[in-house]
Amino acid sequence: EVQLVESGGGLVQPGGSLRLSCAASGFTFSTYWMHWVRQVPGKGLIWVSHIKTDGSSTSYADSVKGRFTTSRDNAKNTLYLQMNSLRAEDTAVYYCARDTNGTPDYWGQGTLVTVSS
Amino acid sequence: EIVLTQSPATLSLSPGERATLSCRASQSVSSSLAWYQQKPGQAPRLLIYDASNRATGIPARFSGSGSGTDFTLTISSLEPEDFAVYYCHQRSNWPRTFGQGTKVEIK
Repeated sequence: EVQLVESGGGLVQPGGSLRLSCAASGFTFSTYWMHWVRQVPGKGLIWVSHIKTDGSSTSYADSVKGRFTTSRDNAKNTLYLQMNSLRAEDTAVYYCARDTNGTPDYWGQGTLVTVSS
Repeated sequence: EIVLTQSPATLSLSPGERATLSCRASQSVSSSLAWYQQKPGQAPRLLIYDASNRATGIPARFSGSGSGTDFTLTISSLEPEDFAVYYCHQRSNWPRTFGQGTKVEIK
């Protein structure tokens, strides 16, 4: 069974940093591209980032480019999102999702990030 | 950036009725469109990929159609568990984008 479990969310002050993790199991993690998608509670889904199987290529939404970094450790079956210079508008539930042929198919349950003083 | 516009914003229907949801893209996405269902407090669940292919385990009452800029998700006969928010998503261009969602509520 495919499982994705996010962790690392919490309350952080504006300008602060946070690192999210996504632990994967039930599939061969190293052979799948992965996504981060966020959702402000009660609002829609916003794509954040995408990483290739070996981590050699990443892409980001303009709203996070230069502040967020996606990486992965295939030996640990774990995806990461390093978030720096956080802003109030980054407050959201962050989901990791597996990519199959370009489409996010399986999603984790999400971790809430709150940026507030 | 490709903008996906979903309509209607809210659909009020009774169990057993047919639901027809629309997603329009600001430029062609070919057939590179997916549909998701999301219930409160849960992660999105993939229903349809590449416009018309049901994902694993998705009941046959869900069907998708369309190509280019106009897409439809049809639920042939609503079950109580189908009342939720539905999103479309395009994988044709970067950045990937989602529609704003259609809420299917009980009338």
